[in-house]
Amino acid sequence: DAGVIQSPRHEVTEMGQEVTLRCKPISGHNSLFWYRQTMMRGLELLIYFNNNVPIDDSGMPEDRFSAKMPNASFSTLKIQPSEPRDSAVYFCASSPRGAYEQYFGPGTRLTVT
Amino acid sequence: GEDVEQSLFLSVREGDSSVINCTYTDSSSTYLYWYKQEPGAGLQLLTYIFSNMDMKQDQRLTVLLNKKDKHLSLRIADTQTGDSAIYFCAETRFGGDKLIFGTGTRLQVFP
Repeated sequence: DAGVIQSPRHEVTEMGQEVTLRCKPISGHNSLFWYRQTMMRGLELLIYFNNNVPIDDSGMPEDRFSAKMPNASFSTLKIQPSEPRDSAVYFCASSPRGAYEQYFGPGTRLTVT
Repeated sequence: GEDVEQSLFLSVREGDSSVINCTYTDSSSTYLYWYKQEPGAGLQLLTYIFSNMDMKQDQRLTVLLNKKDKHLSLRIADTQTGDSAIYFCAETRFGGDKLIFGTGTRLQVFP
């Protein structure tokens, strides 16, 4: 099993640019989660999907953030326009059953200059 | 305050046992988890315990749960340098659909 796959692993962009982060969950998992990790705030849940449907996006910081899951094997997290304070490591996780037993991807380290 | 609390740092000598502690506030917690995060990597699920259990052992790892005090601990026997990482405690609650993470404990193992 390849595990959760995220791309890119590193992204450096300038303020104002659009950033798209990608995630492929583990096959057969029906729940997908996007997290953000920073030194100041720790690990924050941004949004999660069950069966491709967004369930709770209350953690999405602003309208600049959006997430989609067009099918069971792919999700994107988009930031438009990006700002320096968005710099963080973004993790995607998937689970075979809701919040239980989440498996994390390696993360995307985003730097906005 | 935080729903799940952990101390920030722990330093141990190689070969000794490490005990990482966690306290939580919600009595409806159903599953409690320990995740490990190595530098530059994602979180790795180490082990979990169901709330009706007191203890779970898995090789060098022992999880103890005290429901009365809402206290969870992770004991690592014969700690190795490869165990150096950040350890996160997390919980899910009855009917819940989210993991609630603690702040993480950075374990440093020195020779």
